[in-house]
Amino acid sequence: DIQMTQSPSSLSASVGDRVIISCRASQGIGLSLNWYQHKPGKAPKILIYGAVNLQSGVPSRFSGSGSGTGFTLTISNVQSEDCATYYCQQSNSTPWTFGQGTKVEIK
Amino acid sequence: QVQLQESGPGLVKPSQTLSLTCTVSGGSIISDIYYWTWIRQSAGEGPKWIGRINTSGATTYNPSLNSRVTMSVDTSKNQIFLKMTSVTAADTALYYCARQTVLMVLADRNYVLDVWGQGTAVIVSS
Repeated sequence: DIQMTQSPSSLSASVGDRVIISCRASQGIGLSLNWYQHKPGKAPKILIYGAVNLQSGVPSRFSGSGSGTGFTLTISNVQSEDCATYYCQQSNSTPWTFGQGTKVEIK
Repeated sequence: QVQLQESGPGLVKPSQTLSLTCTVSGGSIISDIYYWTWIRQSAGEGPKWIGRINTSGATTYNPSLNSRVTMSVDTSKNQIFLKMTSVTAADTALYYCARQTVLMVLADRNYVLDVWGQGTAVIVSS
């Protein structure tokens, strides 16, 4: 299985800050990397697919970059509603695997 | 707008079989491009992909659970089912169903879990 490692596991940011979350794959996965946002009690939501493509309806302050084994999710000008846990997920080969999550707190 | 709702017993005894249902509303589950997926998340861990099924009955399971998992569909009821045998405390988790679709970028196929349910909690305990 491809192992996905996220960092940091949690962070605290102020409204307006730039937040960067990293995700590393144990082997090269090209651009087969998705990012999800999960708020407690809600259904997880796809933010970014194919490493860099913004899902329809997702605010443009979210962006993704990277390829191969290293990826980042950036939230520019973070807002209070961005308080959530973020997960990366590889879709290069089954079984699909996820990172352990990054919990974002807004001060 | 497609919505997914998981349902199940909540509490299962060790060694018994866990049975969960995912009911889809707002659209048909019949499709050539969708796979219907089960994912679980235990406390303090990242999500774990259990497997997927399409409405032709094609399945792919996570090898770590393969021998204990069976998925099926009922297209007349727009439902997807998960059965997991011989459960232990390690199977205690929040279980989600999700729709896997394909999003094209130029000629690249991107497999995405684009619609999720809110999850149903399962506790394995005597």
